[in-house]
Amino acid sequence: GDSVTQMEGPVTLSEEAFLTINCTYTATGYPSLFWYVQYPGEGLQLLLKATKADDKGSNKGFEATYRKETTSFHLEKGSVQVSDSAVYFCALSDRGSSASKIIFGSGTRLSIRP
Amino acid sequence: DTAVSQTPKYLVTQMGNDKSIKCEQNLGHDTMYWYKQDSKKFLKIMFSYNNKELIINETVPNRFSPKSPDKAHLNLHINSLELGDSAVYFCASSQDVGHHTGELFFGEGSRLTVL
Repeated sequence: GDSVTQMEGPVTLSEEAFLTINCTYTATGYPSLFWYVQYPGEGLQLLLKATKADDKGSNKGFEATYRKETTSFHLEKGSVQVSDSAVYFCALSDRGSSASKIIFGSGTRLSIRP
Repeated sequence: DTAVSQTPKYLVTQMGNDKSIKCEQNLGHDTMYWYKQDSKKFLKIMFSYNNKELIINETVPNRFSPKSPDKAHLNLHINSLELGDSAVYFCASSQDVGHHTGELFFGEGSRLTVL
């Protein structure tokens, strides 16, 4: 079945450092890809998405490019802030299914030191 | 106004008890979900309803029974609670499962602790 694999955490960085969180996927159809973020004590929120190959999703300084050849959707940010500390989830949705569902990766906890 | 609200936020109970978690969305969405998040933050879908009809039912013990009285509500009832049921349960909604944009709107979660 479809699945998402993302890098294990926790990831700890200093403020203004460059961030990469790796994500790869396995899917039989043509999935849409997403990054969700979960701040402490809250539910998940959509951060960005890409619906087809070579699309780049971006939001709040974060970016991710849908790479079909490497089945990847790595999350990047050039300069992280303390407020970016959260758990980040990579996810996919198979648009071809009549009962499509979103499948999440295991989450990567990010901590930013001031 | 909270888009997806679930109650209670915290629930502590004894093994063997029966409990319910309620969820309501005011976004006008057609599809609602229940997800379970374990202590390692792994998030797994349990159920999905579209316009009050069950469309996704993952491998979940039949002690878990969802009920959707209308498309704005999806409640989760759990019978004979076990220690392994301790988790955070998230309700979510989305606009349309057929033209799925992938954007789920989540509630704040209900933390269930079974003693």
